[in-house]
Amino acid sequence: EAGVVQSPRYKIIEKKQPVAFWCNPISGHNTLYWYRQNLGQGPELLIRYENEEAVDDSQLPKDRFSAERLKGVDSTLKIQPAELGDSAVYLCASSRLPGQNYGYTFGSGTRLTVV
Amino acid sequence: KNEVEQSPQNLTAQEGEFITINCSYSVGISALHWLQQHPGGGIVSLFMLSSGKKKHGRLIATINIQEKHSSLHITASHPRDSAVYICAVKPYSGGGADGLTFGKGTHLIIQP
Repeated sequence: EAGVVQSPRYKIIEKKQPVAFWCNPISGHNTLYWYRQNLGQGPELLIRYENEEAVDDSQLPKDRFSAERLKGVDSTLKIQPAELGDSAVYLCASSRLPGQNYGYTFGSGTRLTVV
Repeated sequence: KNEVEQSPQNLTAQEGEFITINCSYSVGISALHWLQQHPGGGIVSLFMLSSGKKKHGRLIATINIQEKHSSLHITASHPRDSAVYICAVKPYSGGGADGLTFGKGTHLIIQP
């Protein structure tokens, strides 16, 4: 079984530029999460999808961040415009059922550097 | 105050030593996860606990729900165990499921 696939692995952009991250969850996993992990910190939830519906986006900075999960499968996370403080690792995870206590699978993450 | 506290933040040990990493949390939870993150890599789930103890190879995880505390032990540690170990809890929520709440991680280095 393929794991959670994220791309790109690394991205370096200048501030004020847009950037997008892509996540392909495990087949059959209805729940998809985007996390942001700052250096030396644990991941923080940005948004959670149940199928194509965003059910928890309270931590997503909506002025510059947006996300979508068309058809309830792949998801993209976009930042426009990027700021220096957005430099972090963006992790995608998926699980089979809503809030399932097991079966969380994480992708390798996208390391974003804003210069 | 972070809801999930890990200790120590950094740990350097010699190969073969017995390693203990601690996690304390302040909220009611339905499950606790121990995760492993290698430099530049993604996160691998090691254990999910709701009570008692679990063992997988050289790794042992325990949880005390009453004391809101969990420990991850590594026996006969090896340099390949060097990684960041993250404790994450799934809080109870009345209105539906939330994501995990993570500790800051423990950076473990095992020297040959």
